[in-house]
Amino acid sequence: GAGVSQSPSNKVTEKGKDVELRCDPISGHTALYWYRQRLGQGLEFLIYFQGNSAPDKSGLPSDRFSAERTGESVSTLTIQRTQQEDSAVYLCASSSGPSGADTQYFGPGTRLTVL
Amino acid sequence: KQEVTQIPAALSVPEGENLVLNCSFTDSAIYNLQWFRQDPGKGLTSLLLIQSSQREQTSGRLNASLDKSSGRSTLYIAASQPGDSATYLCAVLDSNYQLIWGAGTKLIIKP
Repeated sequence: GAGVSQSPSNKVTEKGKDVELRCDPISGHTALYWYRQRLGQGLEFLIYFQGNSAPDKSGLPSDRFSAERTGESVSTLTIQRTQQEDSAVYLCASSSGPSGADTQYFGPGTRLTVL
Repeated sequence: KQEVTQIPAALSVPEGENLVLNCSFTDSAIYNLQWFRQDPGKGLTSLLLIQSSQREQTSGRLNASLDKSSGRSTLYIAASQPGDSATYLCAVLDSNYQLIWGAGTKLIIKP
């Protein structure tokens, strides 16, 4: 596809359940980012993948959060034992360059609601 | 720790007016500053990117300025249109190559 896609667009889950969010970056983009946006707040950086390098996980809020990326393609963000505080929009972005200095292209996001 | 603030949080103006959105950051050690637009149910769209060595960037009716020493950026929108209604986000790329985001300004252009 022409842009970054994410699935599902909406996810409602019960507290304590695990969820998996998916991101398909733009083909050929080596960098991939996950962000979280709580209602009325700015984006929070979660994790950054660059090629085959070890990911930058410095933004993950707890060990319940993890992410994987297969080569330079699809990425999944997994949240285990979800809490109500995890409710937010999760945004994925990709860029063509090796650093954050290049323009990031964002997907439409996944809105997660934890009941 | 880098912090980014956007003022105002919300703005409503009549169609046709020129307007300015403000962004401030606490640490001048940045690589660049970006302005994004966020529409409901859609992804973010990058509007303008200003490198730390630049003072401004222009795209159509949009002009963004950067004063790194004072930690300020403005996004100027000329001749506003209802289609400009969206949330505008400012983000700086800090010395650790992480994007630090403001909370955004929600703009409503009234027909």
